[in-house]
Amino acid sequence: DARVTQTPRHKVTEMGQEVTMRCQPILGHNTVFWYRQTMMQGLELLAYFRNRAPLDDSGMPKDRFSAEMPDATLATLKIQPSEPRDSAVYFCASGLGLTLNEQFFGPGTRLTVL
Amino acid sequence: SQQGEEDPQALSIQEGENATMNCSYKTSINNLQWYRQNSGRGLVHLILIRSNEREKHSGRLRVTLDTSKKSSSLLITASRAADTASYFCATDANSGGSNYKLTFGKGTLLTVNP
Repeated sequence: DARVTQTPRHKVTEMGQEVTMRCQPILGHNTVFWYRQTMMQGLELLAYFRNRAPLDDSGMPKDRFSAEMPDATLATLKIQPSEPRDSAVYFCASGLGLTLNEQFFGPGTRLTVL
Repeated sequence: SQQGEEDPQALSIQEGENATMNCSYKTSINNLQWYRQNSGRGLVHLILIRSNEREKHSGRLRVTLDTSKKSSSLLITASRAADTASYFCATDANSGGSNYKLTFGKGTLLTVNP
């Protein structure tokens, strides 16, 4: 049963600390997306990759956030330094193809920055 | 601002009744998708309708698309308590060149009472 996995599922950290979230997309999928979900803003696209190349990271605060795909089986999202306003659920999703078809979401990482 | 906006924000019905949720969007689209999210979980793709389609069915789901009004509706027939979830519409938008990204609305929270 192919699915997107994310680690950790929960993270509590203190302001100023580095946070790294990891995602394993579904094998064979060539697009990977990072979203952030909060009650106030809803679901926001932070960045996405196609064939491991970053295509759009305009939704990501560049000064503290970075997203990478070291290889086809791993995507990472880092926040350094973290701030309380970064508290949210971060979702990774993967998909297939050049056009935007169905996206498969992971279970999310719930981040709390104190 | 959000490309897609769902209406209503919340809907409460009795089991067996039909539930209708609406989505309005601003710019031209290639396709529109509906997703479901159970509390504490990732989003799950329900159905995709392309801009040249007017209606699509999948089981108890019926989606319509009116591109002249820039709106879509999701109908769930014979609802069940297990349909309780948040429902999101997502539209694709050009993010530069040939790159597109999905933009999600803030969702409709559907509660189906047993």
